Amino acid sequence: DGGITQSPKYLFRKEGQNVTLSCEQNLNHDAMYWYRQDPGQGLRLIYYSQIVNDFQKGDIAEGYSVSREKKESFPLTVTSAQKNPTAFYLCASSITGGLTGELFFGEGSRLTVL
Amino acid sequence: DAKTTQPTSMDCAEGRAANLPCNHSTISGNEYVYWYRQIHSQGPQYIIHGLKNNETNEMASLIITEDRKSSTLILPHATLRDTAVYYCIVRGLNFNKFYFGSGTKLNVKP
Repeated sequence: DGGITQSPKYLFRKEGQNVTLSCEQNLNHDAMYWYRQDPGQGLRLIYYSQIVNDFQKGDIAEGYSVSREKKESFPLTVTSAQKNPTAFYLCASSITGGLTGELFFGEGSRLTVL
Repeated sequence: DAKTTQPTSMDCAEGRAANLPCNHSTISGNEYVYWYRQIHSQGPQYIIHGLKNNETNEMASLIITEDRKSSTLILPHATLRDTAVYYCIVRGLNFNKFYFGSGTKLNVKP
């Protein structure tokens, strides 16, 4: 079945460590996104990519990095520079072109910094 | 990009219609209104979207006012499984930006 796969589902990290969250899609979508969600809050955009080898910062990019070497993959690295990384991270994808494309989301990765 | 305003929470009796309002007074003429919902600790799920006309699908109906400054999502016969946070989103002029607010927590009660 087509969809978005995020891994790991749960991740624990010590302070000062970098961690990479995986996001893979088989929907043949050009655009991919990373969102962060804190308890009781909405989603905030971290990074997005409209095409392979290109990506743009969202509203809260500081302390995060991404790469887009393949169409299917958009990994997110949470670096030690991120001051408060404990959160729920959601990856999404969409088609590009036109105004009516919807977002498809993965099931999320919950990161806890110990 | 237009932002949206939604009530923090709403209650609905099971089997009754749930009407979720959204204000988007700064919406531009070519911006669509989208609705998503998120069940606890899962990824958001697309429900419906529209531009000017009312829309209906198997999940819900979307009513957009004539001036497009507000809209209402209608779940015609709410069930306990419809308990979730519902997000009203206006699709930004930057094609790839979806702005999610805090949404409305819908509690469907038996």
